[in-house]
Amino acid sequence: AQSVAQPEDQVNVAEGNPLTVKCTYSVSGNPYLFWYVQYPNRGLQFLLKYITGDNLVKGSYGFEAEFNKSQTSFHLKKPSALVSDSALYFCAVRDSGVNQFYFGTGTSLTVIP
Amino acid sequence: GAGVSQSPSNKVTEKGKDVELRCDPISGHTALYWYRQRLGQGLEFLIYFQGNSAPDKSGLPSDRFSAERTGESVSTLTIQRTQQEDSAVYLCASSFLTANTEAFFGQGTRLTVV
Repeated sequence: AQSVAQPEDQVNVAEGNPLTVKCTYSVSGNPYLFWYVQYPNRGLQFLLKYITGDNLVKGSYGFEAEFNKSQTSFHLKKPSALVSDSALYFCAVRDSGVNQFYFGTGTSLTVIP
Repeated sequence: GAGVSQSPSNKVTEKGKDVELRCDPISGHTALYWYRQRLGQGLEFLIYFQGNSAPDKSGLPSDRFSAERTGESVSTLTIQRTQQEDSAVYLCASSFLTANTEAFFGQGTRLTVV
């Protein structure tokens, strides 16, 4: 069965510090992995995705994510956090055999000035 | 259109009334998804369309919920005899069928049942 886990409901980080939002996945076929961000009262916005190739993926707003096949992880990272990065972040996986998206439960990121 | 459009953006209804929520996906997107998001919570999958067919309806909470899609385009989510626990934001997303493509989300419909 396909699934995604975001082990942290809440992450707090000081402005200017590096941030990491964790995600692990379980999928039977080739994993296609996605990160989305949701600002208050908004829909989800696509940040980045891993399809194949380089394990470090770069996306919007300075975010990047590292795919680790052996650890089945796809952690979201940013070298220097901004207050405006405070939002809800969702990890998702899409199985190559099924067109369904499986979302994690979300991680609320707060960047403290 | 340029993005996924949902209407209305906000809906307040009385308990027991029926409501219809509309989603206009991105043109050419064969896959369409409905999710429910309660305040401060994650996404709850409701239903998935491939074209006009719904191969996965497993997330519909009860028989009060139904959805259809026509012309491989517009989708309508209908909630009959609304209850207060139906209050949530209903999100629609669309994508190409190719597994390596992302989904694009609408802004959602905030439903409040009073």
